[in-house]
Amino acid sequence: QKEVEQNSGPLSVPEGAIASLNCTYSDRGSQSFFWYRQYSGKSPELIMFIYSNGDKEDGRFTAQLNKASQYVSLLIRDSQPSDSATYLCAVIVDGANNLFFGTGTRLTVIP
Amino acid sequence: DVKVTQSSRYLVKRTGEKVFLECVQDMDHENMFWYRQDPGLGLRLIYFSYDVKMKEKGDIPEGYSVSREKKERFSLILESASTNQTSMYLCASSSFYESQPQHFGDGTRLSIL
Repeated sequence: QKEVEQNSGPLSVPEGAIASLNCTYSDRGSQSFFWYRQYSGKSPELIMFIYSNGDKEDGRFTAQLNKASQYVSLLIRDSQPSDSATYLCAVIVDGANNLFFGTGTRLTVIP
Repeated sequence: DVKVTQSSRYLVKRTGEKVFLECVQDMDHENMFWYRQDPGLGLRLIYFSYDVKMKEKGDIPEGYSVSREKKERFSLILESASTNQTSMYLCASSSFYESQPQHFGDGTRLSIL
């Protein structure tokens, strides 16, 4: 069973703080890792992807991957109220095209 | 930008009806997917397709079927709608190449009365 685990939250941070979202996965064959943002009533929107160990930065977002410990995280710097959403972690296992999703972490940024 | 278009944002149908949900993508993607999303259960894969006229069952195919007659179009069919199929339905597509992300349509919120 390929599992992707996320803390469902809610995670609350004040505006301007760093929000840290974490995800663990069970299959060591997991190859590619994605973070999606989903606003209430909307569809998931891809915001970051990472394939290699280490950090990947894109604007206020940083994805961190540690394959040895089987976790991937998303940091949001200078959090804004507009970042309030559910963040979904997803992984692709080597040789597959299917995404395995976590159930998401709900983030609330307090003005 | 990838554009995945679902035919309806909101749909209300009655129990026992045959329901068609349509999805079209404009990026020439080989892979297409249908999910449903329910509170507390996350995204669950219903069916997917890697090529025209090809389909594979996902995690919860019971009560559903699919059709892919053209590369850009993937249809989800509820053979005889039931109230437990009330949900948000999401279509996604991705490139054939390994490790490519999926891009989602806006979703169809389906209510079965």
